[in-house]
Amino acid sequence: QKEVEQNSGPLSVPEGAIASLNCTYSDRGSQSFFWYRQYSGKSPELIMFIYSNGDKEDGRFTAQLNKASQYVSLLIRDSQPSDSATYLCAVKQNFGNEKLTFGTGTRLTIIP
Amino acid sequence: DTGVSQDPRHKITKRGQNVTFRCDPISEHNRLYWYRQTLGQGPEFLTYFQNEAQLEKSRLLSDRFSAERPKGSFSTLEIQRTEQGDSAMYLCASSSMGGQRDEQYFGPGTRLTVT
Repeated sequence: QKEVEQNSGPLSVPEGAIASLNCTYSDRGSQSFFWYRQYSGKSPELIMFIYSNGDKEDGRFTAQLNKASQYVSLLIRDSQPSDSATYLCAVKQNFGNEKLTFGTGTRLTIIP
Repeated sequence: DTGVSQDPRHKITKRGQNVTFRCDPISEHNRLYWYRQTLGQGPEFLTYFQNEAQLEKSRLLSDRFSAERPKGSFSTLEIQRTEQGDSAMYLCASSSMGGQRDEQYFGPGTRLTVT
């Protein structure tokens, strides 16, 4: 079992719709969860982080965390063509472990 | 606020040559991380520093790889006797405090091609 799993996609969503990206993780002791956006040929850009169960909203983005189910998601409302990118889920595992463990990313395409 | 910078942005080298990359973190950040990313994969952790101390190294970091952060500011990553399998994007990230509630910000990366 991979430590952080994401559906690689591609995920195609019409412009203006809600894009839903999912991530599961294996280490139940994981404490911190991050979503990065990565355009082709570019480096990852941090767009959301969440540390507590529940929802966290920032503009058109909502991160959702359910530690009991070991599940974290990212919702993008009113999807725009500029949202087309690969979205990487990253997890910081148990205390004292400073590295981020990434999934392989989900490629999202917004269809105009 | 200047972001993380990396130099060079692209490097093409022949197998067997040594290469060195530089990373300058965000100025007030005392933690600096190196990751490697290959096509279709997420970044993989290589090593990290708190100030000048190298606190963790991945088993991915073979003896041919060495990283330094001599004055707790910029860092260098050197690869000796490069192999074709070293071709990847080398990413540097920095953060301010470590711990669980701490965000890492990435630089633009150095893309290495070994021919």
